[in-house]
Amino acid sequence: GAGVSQSPSNKVTEKGKDVELRCDPISGHTALYWYRQSLGQGLEFLIYFQGNSAPDKSGLPSDRFSAERTGGSVSTLTIQRTQQEDSAVYLCASSSRPDTQYFGPGTRLTVL
Amino acid sequence: AQRVTQPEKLLSVFKGAPVELKCNYSYSGSPELFWYVQYSRQRLQLLLRHISRESIKGFTADLNKGETSFHLKKPFAQEEDSAMYYCALISSNYQLIWGAGTKLIIKP
Repeated sequence: GAGVSQSPSNKVTEKGKDVELRCDPISGHTALYWYRQSLGQGLEFLIYFQGNSAPDKSGLPSDRFSAERTGGSVSTLTIQRTQQEDSAVYLCASSSRPDTQYFGPGTRLTVL
Repeated sequence: AQRVTQPEKLLSVFKGAPVELKCNYSYSGSPELFWYVQYSRQRLQLLLRHISRESIKGFTADLNKGETSFHLKKPFAQEEDSAMYYCALISSNYQLIWGAGTKLIIKP
């Protein structure tokens, strides 16, 4: 079936604007993760959704970052008042078991 | 603390030479460890998991509990092995804890 999809693939915005990044997980996967991958850096965990449980937001870097997952499927990561240091590739992953995460292609965010 | 350490940000070897990507972990209990790979312009994907004791694309990784290591090895590197490699550990709350990654470059 279809893998994890993310949109947009690229987003260029001006400093101070809000952006929304979308993730469509694999159908039936109960877990959904957001990560950030900055140039030359590894994966930075942002937030984790598991079923109907409260999300683990421990990785969100500031209160400008938020995410929601509607109906246990699609998720949106919102960054308010974007800053240049927010520029990165934002990756979404979904899984039906903890040990195997399936990643989307990512959204490359550039804040000018 | 639960932690994964990949000490090398960049590893460059010649084609045909052996490759070893280092991964050390900190975990109390029996760890489950994985290697993920991201080829250029492709998605991050699972390469192998220690419990499967498998060889994928010629790569193997052995869990050494005494040294708390899970190094990824390949006897003869190929140019198509050039990629970013991440070591990961399942935490006690069933999330993956990631290393910082190692960029592997295979020189022709």
